[in-house]
Amino acid sequence: AAGVIQSPRHLIKEKRETATLKCYPIPRHDTVYWYQQGPGQDPQFLISFYEKMQSDKGSIPDRFSAQQFSDYHSELNMSSLELGDSALYFCASSARLAVNTGELFFGEGSRLTVL
Amino acid sequence: GENVEQHPSTLSVQEGDSAVIKCTYSDSASNYFPWYKQELGKGPQLIIDIRSNVGEKKDQRIAVTLNKTAKHFSLHITETQPEDSAVYFCAAGGGGSYIPTFGRGTSLIVHP
Repeated sequence: AAGVIQSPRHLIKEKRETATLKCYPIPRHDTVYWYQQGPGQDPQFLISFYEKMQSDKGSIPDRFSAQQFSDYHSELNMSSLELGDSALYFCASSARLAVNTGELFFGEGSRLTVL
Repeated sequence: GENVEQHPSTLSVQEGDSAVIKCTYSDSASNYFPWYKQELGKGPQLIIDIRSNVGEKKDQRIAVTLNKTAKHFSLHITETQPEDSAVYFCAAGGGGSYIPTFGRGTSLIVHP
């Protein structure tokens, strides 16, 4: 079965640079979520989109922005990168009309390292 | 908002033993309780979930129980195997929020 696809899987950037992560949800899933996971931490919710509109907002820094496109894929843009942004970034998708409680399916993650 | 507490943070067992991970939640409106398994360098994978209209659900060696009155739910793994070694996260969702709140995770180590 098709899963959530994230790219790139690994990314190395310098401080103050910009990075963009991409997420392709499971087909027919209309909701995309972005999470940040630091070493030894639980996933922290950043932001979500439903039908291309921002749905919920978590602990996403102002330096980050995201959007969902007409084909339902999403991109997380991170600017002015800081050392503390080094983490695993997960995208998850769900079909909100099918379940009303956020049954999420996660991608394999993108590991961002800021030097 | 919802607050999920998960215990223990680390659990070490011998192969063949049972493992139990417990979570409590604070929002009585939550009605969906998934469990995720995360292997090193990979994304969390949904392994089992339970909704508030049932008290127990089983899938082969994995079972989850829910006590809505006490607001706690547990993951039970029987006949553990080394490949069960991973970090397990509980979560609570629903109740008007589409964003499940995660527990801090339990690192399960199964020794051969």
